[in-house]
Amino acid sequence: DQQVKQNSPSLSVQEGRISILNCDYTNSMFDYFLWYKKYPAEGPTFLISISSIKDKNEDGRFTVFLNKSAKHLSLHIVPSQPGDSAVYFCAASPLGAQKLVFGQGTRLTINP
Amino acid sequence: NAGVTQTPKFQVLKTGQSMTLQCAQDMNHNSMYWYRQDPGMGLRLIYYSASEGTTDKGEVPNGYNVSRLNKREFSLRLESAAPSQTSVYFCASRRTTPPAYNEQFFGPGTRLTVL
Repeated sequence: DQQVKQNSPSLSVQEGRISILNCDYTNSMFDYFLWYKKYPAEGPTFLISISSIKDKNEDGRFTVFLNKSAKHLSLHIVPSQPGDSAVYFCAASPLGAQKLVFGQGTRLTINP
Repeated sequence: NAGVTQTPKFQVLKTGQSMTLQCAQDMNHNSMYWYRQDPGMGLRLIYYSASEGTTDKGEVPNGYNVSRLNKREFSLRLESAAPSQTSVYFCASRRTTPPAYNEQFFGPGTRLTVL
């Protein structure tokens, strides 16, 4: 049973435009969410997180939105840059839990 | 400050061979993790260690064993490798201080092929 789902395996966006990556979860106990970015032949690196007490968190060009009623979160990248081309994973856990549950990942390609 | 390091980077095994993947972290984190990444499957947890001296199974533990040698080191052993264990393996350690309570830091990965 996939508790965290990223239904788009890939996304292609023009440089300078907005990239929107989506993630859905089923476990109502999840209350902390993270996004990771992964380049080829490297390990994932932490990008941004949000706890369930918020519905939005911003860090520079990156904003994560959380809709708890829909069990949905999204990552917005504005403006998109070529260096943003990577695989993005969303992850979730109950706050303070030892384990994270990851989605399948979305490959983002930024076209010049 | 190297973060999380893994050895080897690449390995090819024959079915039935054994090997140990090594992981070390220098961030003084208590918790450490082993994941495997397969196409379309995301990152799946194999085993984790909440603290020195403890280990617990994750989502896909069959065919693997782990050892938490000390606070820094967490190794993953394949006793009898199978082609289904062909994957990229990532080790991670977990930060538990604000502001990112659950942030995990990943190593560069080991790409394992079992023939």
